[in-house]
Amino acid sequence: QKEVEQNSGPLSVPEGAIASLNCTYSDRGSQSFFWYRQYSGKSPELIMFIYSNGDKEDGRFTAQLNKASQYVSLLIRDSQPSDSATYLCAVLTGNQFYFGTGTSLTVIP
Amino acid sequence: DTGVSQDPRHKITKRGQNVTFRCDPISEHNRLYWYRQTLGQGPEFLTYFQNEAQLEKSRLLSDRFSAERPKGSFSTLEIQRTEQGDSAMYLCASSRQNQPQHFGDGTRLSIL
Repeated sequence: QKEVEQNSGPLSVPEGAIASLNCTYSDRGSQSFFWYRQYSGKSPELIMFIYSNGDKEDGRFTAQLNKASQYVSLLIRDSQPSDSATYLCAVLTGNQFYFGTGTSLTVIP
Repeated sequence: DTGVSQDPRHKITKRGQNVTFRCDPISEHNRLYWYRQTLGQGPEFLTYFQNEAQLEKSRLLSDRFSAERPKGSFSTLEIQRTEQGDSAMYLCASSRQNQPQHFGDGTRLSIL
């Protein structure tokens, strides 16, 4: 079983819609959770991080964490074509970061 | 804050040659990580330093790979006797303890 699982997509949403990206992790001891955006040929860029159960909002982005279900999600409101990218979920367990394979998102104008 | 810097951006070499990459982390970050990423995959952990100490190394990492961070600042990653399967993007990231990582632009390695 992989440490971090994501649906690889592709996920397509129309411009202005809400995009919902999901991630599950296997280690209950994981303590911190991160979402990165990666454009093709570029390095990952940090979008959000969350440490506690519940929701955390930053502009159009909301991260949601449910430790009991070992589930973390990212919502992107009012999706824009510039949001089209691969979104990587990362989990900090001990001193090591584990990454999912990423979900490809396309926002259709 | 100048960000994480990696050099070179691209490296093309023949199979069997040795290559060395450099990473300069954000200056106040004491943790430095190396990852490898291939197409369609997330970054795969290779090794990690806290200051100058190499604290963890992936079990999957071949003995041909070695990394150093001699003064707790910049780091180098060397691959000896390169193989076709080593072709990938090599990413460096730095962070403060248990804080989010910030990535450099990566070094893309192509083995001919």
